[in-house]
Amino acid sequence: AQSVTQLGSHVSVSEGALVLLRCNYSSSVPPYLFWYVQYPNQGLQLLLKYTSAATLVKGINGFEAEFKKSETSFHLTKPSAHMSDAAEYFCAVITSNTGKLIFGQGTTLQVKP
Amino acid sequence: DVKVTQSSRYLVKRTGEKVFLECVQDMDHENMFWYRQDPGLGLRLIYFSYDVKMKEKGDIPEGYSVSREKKERFSLILESASTNQTSMYLCASRLQGTNTEAFFGQGTRLTVV
Repeated sequence: AQSVTQLGSHVSVSEGALVLLRCNYSSSVPPYLFWYVQYPNQGLQLLLKYTSAATLVKGINGFEAEFKKSETSFHLTKPSAHMSDAAEYFCAVITSNTGKLIFGQGTTLQVKP
Repeated sequence: DVKVTQSSRYLVKRTGEKVFLECVQDMDHENMFWYRQDPGLGLRLIYFSYDVKMKEKGDIPEGYSVSREKKERFSLILESASTNQTSMYLCASRLQGTNTEAFFGQGTRLTVV
């Protein structure tokens, strides 16, 4: 079964520093991958999704992710962290033809002033 | 805008009670999901429905059942609530398709005492 693994349950960066959140998938077929963000006391919202049209995907709030088949990865990056980026981030994958959506364990991003 | 509405934001129930969590979406989505969210464990899929009256077990279905009699409504049932079911429950829906994103409700914080 397809799954995703997020490396690092907590990531801490300084404001203005590069953000890198890691996600690896296990799949023998082209996966359909998503990144979601959850701000404190709020629901989940979509940051970006991989559609196979391009390996570099741009999302909201300056985030982007690169699909690397050779590394089975879909890491999320942002060149310069902002205090408002502090949140929990989830990687997710569609695992079946019926559309079952499975999430990783989540990574909490802390941004220090 | 897609709206996914969960019937309660906060719920307190007693051990052994039968508990119903309701979720309604207004965009004619085929897929609906129930997840529970616990610190450090991410979002774990309880049940998934890919169409009316169709369901699949997720990773942690034990102690839960679901009902989907109408397309817009997906109910999660705790047959006999236990304290280890205290958690945040999230409902989501998505249009059937390979790379369509899921939309989430605000969540129900259930406490079983």
